[in-house]
Amino acid sequence: AQSVTQLDSQVPVFEEAPVELRCNYSSSVSVYLFWYVQYPNQGLQLLLKYLSGSTLVESINGFEAEFNKSQTSFHLRKPSVHISDTAEYFCAVSYNQGGKLIFGQGTELSVKP
Amino acid sequence: ETGVTQSPTHLIKTRGQQVTLRCSSQSGHNTVSWYQQALGQGPQFIFQYYREEENGRGNFPPRFSGLQFPNYSSELNVNALELDDSALYLCASSLEGRNNGYTFGSGTRLTVV
Repeated sequence: AQSVTQLDSQVPVFEEAPVELRCNYSSSVSVYLFWYVQYPNQGLQLLLKYLSGSTLVESINGFEAEFNKSQTSFHLRKPSVHISDTAEYFCAVSYNQGGKLIFGQGTELSVKP
Repeated sequence: ETGVTQSPTHLIKTRGQQVTLRCSSQSGHNTVSWYQQALGQGPQFIFQYYREEENGRGNFPPRFSGLQFPNYSSELNVNALELDDSALYLCASSLEGRNNGYTFGSGTRLTVV
């Protein structure tokens, strides 16, 4: 069955420390991968996406994720986090163009001063 | 860009009642999807509409139904509400065939008592 696994439900980290949020998906010939962020009482905001081409994708606020086909992973990283990065992060996969998104369970990132 | 707007933002219903949730898609987006996000979980795909026709459905019973209108606004209807239907309902719009990541609304928080 198609699925997405986020290995950590909660990640506490101190401000300015690096962070990695892990995501693995069930294998398929073609995949489209996404990271969404959800702030309290809000909807989902697209953080970054991998559709094709370069396996390293970046967001405008310093996050990056690398598509690793052999390990079926799409981990999210940031070298130095801010208090404002505190939120829930969801990894999602689509197995066809314009198809449904399958989400992981989410990782709660908590950045402490 | 007008974004995706959902109404109402919050709703309380009694078990057995019916509810209609509304979504106004981002301008130019002809595909709309609905997701259910239970507390502490990732969003689950309910169904997708394209050009007013259902274009894919997740593992939800028939009492979950939808409509998409020519102006690309849409509705999610749930009949015979159950306590487990309490969740955040998210609407997401996209342009047909484009897997650039859906634009999500802020959601409707439904509580069934």
